[in-house]
Amino acid sequence: GQQVMQIPQYQHVQEGEDFTTYCNSSTTLSNIQWYKQRPGGHPVFLIQLVKSGEVKKQKRLTFQFGEAKKNSSLHITATQTTDVGTYFCAGPYGGATNKLIFGTGTLLAVQP
Amino acid sequence: EAGVTQSPTHLIKTRGQQATLRCSPISGHTSVYWYQQALGLGLQFLLWYDEGEERNRGNFPPRFSGRQFPNYSSELNVNALELEDSALYLCASSLGLAGDNEQFFGPGTRLTVL
Repeated sequence: GQQVMQIPQYQHVQEGEDFTTYCNSSTTLSNIQWYKQRPGGHPVFLIQLVKSGEVKKQKRLTFQFGEAKKNSSLHITATQTTDVGTYFCAGPYGGATNKLIFGTGTLLAVQP
Repeated sequence: EAGVTQSPTHLIKTRGQQATLRCSPISGHTSVYWYQQALGLGLQFLLWYDEGEERNRGNFPPRFSGRQFPNYSSELNVNALELEDSALYLCASSLGLAGDNEQFFGPGTRLTVL
C-alpha cells in the first residue's frame, strides 16, 4: 500500500543550527500537508502545498514540494527551543481526498 | 470559536472490556476523523465519518467501530480491548475532505489497557 516515509526519525541540534526533515511518498501526491506536534500535545496544521515545485515560507520555516510531487521537505533556519516537537507530513491516500496518510514523523530536539 | 473537544482525557480499562471515546468537532465541520497514535509512533487512520455515515476506515479490525450523531459529534467504540490498543486516540475535523483541507485535532484521549 501507499507509504509516506520521513527522514531522519530523530534530530538533535544546538539552538541556532538549521534543521531539515524530508518526506517521501511511494506514490504521486495531489498535495501535501505538514503538521507539528509538541511533546504531550496534538498535531497542529502548518501548511499545505499543492503545486509541483512549490516553495512556501513561514518566518524561519521553508516548505518545498518536489517537482514529481512525491517528496517534500521542511527546513527550519536558526532553530529555537520553541521548535521542539515532531513534524509530520501527510498526503491524500490512493489519489482520493477522503483521508490522509501521515508520514512516520521527525522528532526535533533543540538544546539551548 | 471552540476547537475540537474530546472526552475523557484519560481512560483506563482492562483487557476484554469495551471503551467509548467521544469527540465534538468544530462548529460547522461535518467530517470527523479518528486516528490512533501508539507511543512513539505516527498517526494511523482509523475511521472517517461525514453527514452521519461511515465513509472510510483504515486497516483496523471490526472491533473498532463508531458513529456520528445528527449534531456531527462522534463516538469511537473499541470492543474486546487488547493490550496493544493502548494509545492516544485523536479526533480531527475539517471543513471538507481531509486531503484538501486543514485538519483540526482535538487534545486526544489516552487509553490505557491493563
